[in-house]
Amino acid sequence: GDSVTQMEGPVTLSEEAFLTINCTYTATGYPSLFWYVQYPGEGLQLLLKATKADDKGSNKGFEATYRKETTSFHLEKGSVQVSDSAVYFCALSDLGNYGQNFVFGPGTRLSVLP
Amino acid sequence: EPEVTQTPSHQVTQMGQEVILRCVPISNHLYFYWYRQILGQKVEFLVSFYNNEISEKSEIFDDQFSVERPDGSNFTLKIRSTKLEDSAMYFCASSDEGQNYNEQFFGPGTRLTVL
Repeated sequence: GDSVTQMEGPVTLSEEAFLTINCTYTATGYPSLFWYVQYPGEGLQLLLKATKADDKGSNKGFEATYRKETTSFHLEKGSVQVSDSAVYFCALSDLGNYGQNFVFGPGTRLSVLP
Repeated sequence: EPEVTQTPSHQVTQMGQEVILRCVPISNHLYFYWYRQILGQKVEFLVSFYNNEISEKSEIFDDQFSVERPDGSNFTLKIRSTKLEDSAMYFCASSDEGQNYNEQFFGPGTRLTVL
């Protein structure tokens, strides 16, 4: 079945450091790929998405590019802030399957220190 | 901006009791989902619902669980006889049938604590 693997962390960075959180996937179809973020005490929020190969999703300074050849969707940010401290989940959804549930990665906890 | 809402935010119950978790999906959405996240673990799919019936469910969604859309706005998850291991954060999500149908919008979650 479909699966998502991501670096488990925790990741601890200083403010303004460069962030990369790796995500790779396996899927039988042609999935859409997502990054969700969960701030402390809150629910899941969509951070960015990409629906086809070579698409780049971006939001709030975060970027991720859908790489079909390497089945990856790594999350990057050039300069993190303390407010970026959260848990980040990579997820996929198989395109073409109505009602298809998401498959989530295990989440990566990011702590940004001032 | 439309959002998914869930009530209550925190539910405490005794083992063996029934609980109903409530969700109000985004109004024009047609697909509804429940997920759970045991503390410190990954988010797990429970069930998807479309056209007044379950379209897919996971192994977790056994006979103790049921879902219902009792009216035009609410979507509920019922656990008939709660167990300690049901303690988790439960997230409701919804999606539409348009171009972004595979993007799911999540509610803030209900934290269920079973004592």
